[in-house]
Amino acid sequence: QKEVEQDPGPLSVPEGAIVSLNCTYSNSAFQYFMWYRQYSRKGPELLMYTYSSGNKEDGRFTAQVDKSSKYISLFIRDSQPSDSATYLCAMNSLDDYKLSFGAGTTVTVRA
Amino acid sequence: GAVVSQHPSRVICKSGTSVKIECRSLDFQATTMFWYRQFPKQSLMLMATSNEGSKATYEQGVEKDKFLINHASLTLSTLTVTSAHPEDSSFYICSAREREPYNEQFFGPGTRLTVL
Repeated sequence: QKEVEQDPGPLSVPEGAIVSLNCTYSNSAFQYFMWYRQYSRKGPELLMYTYSSGNKEDGRFTAQVDKSSKYISLFIRDSQPSDSATYLCAMNSLDDYKLSFGAGTTVTVRA
Repeated sequence: GAVVSQHPSRVICKSGTSVKIECRSLDFQATTMFWYRQFPKQSLMLMATSNEGSKATYEQGVEKDKFLINHASLTLSTLTVTSAHPEDSSFYICSAREREPYNEQFFGPGTRLTVL
């Protein structure tokens, strides 16, 4: 079993729809949770960064962390074709800088 | 967010040559930098962790004599692929972690290496 599970998709939605992405994990020591967006042939771009449980909102993006269920989510509201990319969840613990990544979910927003 | 650059963005070389890739944190000091390798349609695979002024820590299965890492300053780390072969062709990405108490990691744009 992988430490971080993420459905690779692909996920295709019409423009304006809400995109819902999620990851589950097995290591209860994880405290820091990140979502990265990666366009084809580019490096990952940090979208959201949260510590421990709770919600965080930034523009059209909302990140949720439920440590009791070991489950994190990313919601993209009013999706745009420019949101078409691969979204990677990542996480680490207090005493380990190394990130554990999900497989990445490929999202296509249709105009 | 903080900016990390990589150079070159793309390199094509002949088998047997060595290739150096630079990773720079442009607007912050990075005590720790990471080197990843990514194959098409796959997630990132950590190769090594690089701390300024000390030897890199390599992940299991990564040949340290093949992939030489130097972290000479708080803003620069280099990865040298020695005696490159076609199987080393890949997308190499670095990331940099800000100094304590920050934990965020910022990634460079990646380097596409093709070994002929």
